[in-house]
Amino acid sequence: KQEVTQIPAALSVPEGENLVLNCSFTDSAIYNLQWFRQDPGKGLTSLLLIQSSQREQTSGRLNASLDKSSGRSTLYIAASQPGDSATYLCAVNRASGGSNYKLTFGKGTLLTVNP
Amino acid sequence: KAGVTQTPRYLIKTRGQQVTLSCSPISGHRSVSWYQQTPGQGLQFLFEYFSETQRNKGNFPGRFSGRQFSNSRSEMNVSTLELGDSALYLCASSLLSYGNSPLHFGNGTRLTVT
Repeated sequence: KQEVTQIPAALSVPEGENLVLNCSFTDSAIYNLQWFRQDPGKGLTSLLLIQSSQREQTSGRLNASLDKSSGRSTLYIAASQPGDSATYLCAVNRASGGSNYKLTFGKGTLLTVNP
Repeated sequence: KAGVTQTPRYLIKTRGQQVTLSCSPISGHRSVSWYQQTPGQGLQFLFEYFSETQRNKGNFPGRFSGRQFSNSRSEMNVSTLELGDSALYLCASSLLSYGNSPLHFGNGTRLTVT
């Protein structure tokens, strides 16, 4: 059974700092991995999707890396801003043939960026 | 392009009742997947519908069911409600299967069971 862990559960940083969020998973036979952000009372917003054959993906100030062999992914946020404050979740997808997928979410890291 | 719309935003029900939640996906998206989010268990996958067929299913009891219409709109039904069903229910749509393309989430329906 796939288990996804995100550490730390909460993180508080001053504005402008570069930071790294971690996601680890127990089963390395993954199909892809997605990073999301969730604002209070809202749904999730997809940030980056990394296929199992990729090592990293970049979007603006965000960079996500994937190391399947060690069961880890990191989300790097450059020059953090107060608007980046949210809960960040990773989701690991395992494919079991055909169109059968199983998506497992971590419990997220609550990020607070202080002005 | 309009986003994913979930209705209603809030619901209060009594134990034993049933409830139906609605999800309208982004135009052109054929996959709709449903999730339950609670403080204790986090976000858990319920099921996915693609072109009106249930294609993937999580580990929830049969009280949780769904369907998808020809216009890709989807409904989720929970029968014989229990206190533990209180949660934020999210749906997401995607162009391809839910495991194979970015997910676009609605803002959810907050269900409270008393």
